[in-house]
Amino acid sequence: EAGVAQSPRYKIIEKRQSVAFWCNPISGHATLYWYQQILGQGPKLLIQFQNNGVVDDSQLPKDRFSAERLKGVDSTLKIQPAKLEDSAVYLCASSLEAGGEYEQYFGPGTRLTVT
Amino acid sequence: GNSVTQMEGPVTLSEEAFLTINCTYTATGYPSLFWYVQYPGEGLQLLLKATKADDKGSNKGFEATYRKETTSFHLEKGSVQVSDSAVYFCALRTGFNKFYFGSGTKLNVKP
Repeated sequence: EAGVAQSPRYKIIEKRQSVAFWCNPISGHATLYWYQQILGQGPKLLIQFQNNGVVDDSQLPKDRFSAERLKGVDSTLKIQPAKLEDSAVYLCASSLEAGGEYEQYFGPGTRLTVT
Repeated sequence: GNSVTQMEGPVTLSEEAFLTINCTYTATGYPSLFWYVQYPGEGLQLLLKATKADDKGSNKGFEATYRKETTSFHLEKGSVQVSDSAVYFCALRTGFNKFYFGSGTKLNVKP
C-alpha cells in the first residue's frame, strides 16, 4: 500500500512570495490533516478535512494560509504572502475516517525555508 | 488546556543501554496517549498507544504505561540498538480526535 505522498520535499522562497504544497493521501482515506512543525517543536494541526469539507481550521492563519481538498482526494496548502516565521516542515497525514480509533499516517513532509 | 511535555534531548546512549524518555501531559477529559517516531528524512510513524488509564502500549521492544495518577506516559526500552536512533514524539488525542504533540526528543545510540 502506497503511503502519503507530498511534494515538493524542499522549497526556498523569499518573504512576501507565495508557495503551494501538495498532498496525496492513502487511497480510500476520508480524513486529511495538515500540520506545521517548526524546528524544535512538535507538529501543530493547521486544518483537518473530512472528504472535501473542513472539520477544524481553528489554528490556520487565514489571513495568509489557505487549503483546499477538491473531490475529497488530493489537497493543496497555500501561503500568500510568506513570512520568515513560516519556515517549518509542513506535514500531511491521512486516516481512514475521523474517529479516534483510526490511525493517522504521515507523509515525509515539505521543508519550507523563507529568507 | 491540553498540552504535552517531554524531556529535552538529545539523549545519547551506548548500544544495549536502557532507555527512558519522560512524557507528562495536561488534558481535559480522558485522552488517548501515543508515542510516534520520526527517522531521518521520513514522516512520523506510530510506535505505540494506550487508550485508557493503566493500559500498556508496546511495540518493537518499546513500552509505555498510561499513568493517570501521575499524568505520565514514559517511553522505555530495555536494550537500545543503533537503528533506534530517531526523534520520538509523545502525543495525546482528545475526544474530538485532535492531536497535541510534545516537542520531541532526539535519541542517538552509539555502537
